[in-house]
Amino acid sequence: TQLLEQSPQFLSIQEGENLTVYCNSSSVFSSLQWYRQEPGEGPVLLVTVVTGGEVKKLKRLTFQFGDARKDSSLHITAAQPGDTGLYLCAGYSGYNKLIFGAGTRLAVHP
Amino acid sequence: GAGVSQSPSNKVTEKGKDVELRCDPISGHTALYWYRQSLGQGLEFLIYFQGNSAPDKSGLPSDRFSAERTGGSVSTLTIQRTQQEDSAVYLCASSSTGGAGNTIYFGEGSWLTVV
Repeated sequence: TQLLEQSPQFLSIQEGENLTVYCNSSSVFSSLQWYRQEPGEGPVLLVTVVTGGEVKKLKRLTFQFGDARKDSSLHITAAQPGDTGLYLCAGYSGYNKLIFGAGTRLAVHP
Repeated sequence: GAGVSQSPSNKVTEKGKDVELRCDPISGHTALYWYRQSLGQGLEFLIYFQGNSAPDKSGLPSDRFSAERTGGSVSTLTIQRTQQEDSAVYLCASSSTGGAGNTIYFGEGSWLTVV
């Protein structure tokens, strides 16, 4: 069974700080995705990384896929209160089954 | 509709009762997923439908759980003889064709509380 482990589980920081969250597995994934979920809503896709070593940027968010395609990281520069939420990584186990990590709950305080 | 629609948004039921949760996927999407999310946790895969293919039921936690998808569109997740541990948010999602590389769109979920 492929598993995705995320760390840290919780992160509480002040506005303006930088942070990195991690998604790790012992299995190789063809791609990994990052989602953000706000209370009372479903997760929303932020990015998909496909190539080992790939780096993608989305405004202040930088996503990296490990060279061996077993891990990924999300770095946020100068966090804002609007970045608060649950960050989930996900990958396909087989062709169709999208599995999720347990998530990192981020709180950014003004 | 414009997005994935789920109903009811909230359901409180007594232990032992059956519940049905409904999902209307985005029009034209052939792939449909059900997930369960316990309070503050990640998403647990339950079941996947793709077109007319046999569904992937490998995530259903027990035989009290079942799901069907009629006419390739609306799906219903049924939980029989509910238990307190079934309390969670049940999320439905759809994508245009399923499989890696396709964007999955989630509904807002059905919050189930078993008392």
